[in-house]
Amino acid sequence: GAGVSQSPSNKVTEKGKDVELRCDPISGHTALYWYRQSLGQGLEFLIYFQGNSAPDKSGLPSDRFSAERTGGSVSTLTIQRTQQEDSAVYLCASSPRGTGNSPLHFGNGTRLTVT
Amino acid sequence: GESVGLHLPTLSVQEGDNSIINCAYSNSASDYFIWYKQESGKGPQFIIDIRSNMDKRQGQRVTVLLNKTVKHLSLQIAATQPGDSAVYFCAERKAGNTGKLIFGQGTTLQVKP
Repeated sequence: GAGVSQSPSNKVTEKGKDVELRCDPISGHTALYWYRQSLGQGLEFLIYFQGNSAPDKSGLPSDRFSAERTGGSVSTLTIQRTQQEDSAVYLCASSPRGTGNSPLHFGNGTRLTVT
Repeated sequence: GESVGLHLPTLSVQEGDNSIINCAYSNSASDYFIWYKQESGKGPQFIIDIRSNMDKRQGQRVTVLLNKTVKHLSLQIAATQPGDSAVYFCAERKAGNTGKLIFGQGTTLQVKP
């Protein structure tokens, strides 16, 4: 079946502009995650959605970052007034359930470059 | 803070040899661990997972070992192939947590023909 889909695959934006990154999780997966990966680094947790529960926003680096998940499916990560340090690959993942022991399934990410 | 670290940033092995990638974790409350493989330009791909009530788990050509006493995790790849060349990440999840995984920095595996 289809995996996690992210769009766009690449995004170049000017410093100060807002960007929106989209994630389509695997159908039926109730948990959705956003991670950020800087060049040559590990994955940094940003935010987590589980069903209708309040999202875990503990990883968002500043109030310029926000995310929403509409209808329990598609999610959008928004970065306002982008800065050069926001340049990274933004990865979305989903899993059948958030708690318990189930692996995350990742998309191929959106590479964001802020000039 | 919480961290998962890898002992070596790069591991170079000969094709056909076995590979061992190590990972140290700091949170004794973690009860679930996963290994991911990431190829260039792609998202991490699930390899194998293990729960804290197990010491060893085997998959196809891969084995994960968990030593909770010293908080150490390892991934063994048998008969390493060129297609195994990638960055490998270990990740942990704290018991009762929201479900988020904490990732280490990654080890690059290079397979020499």
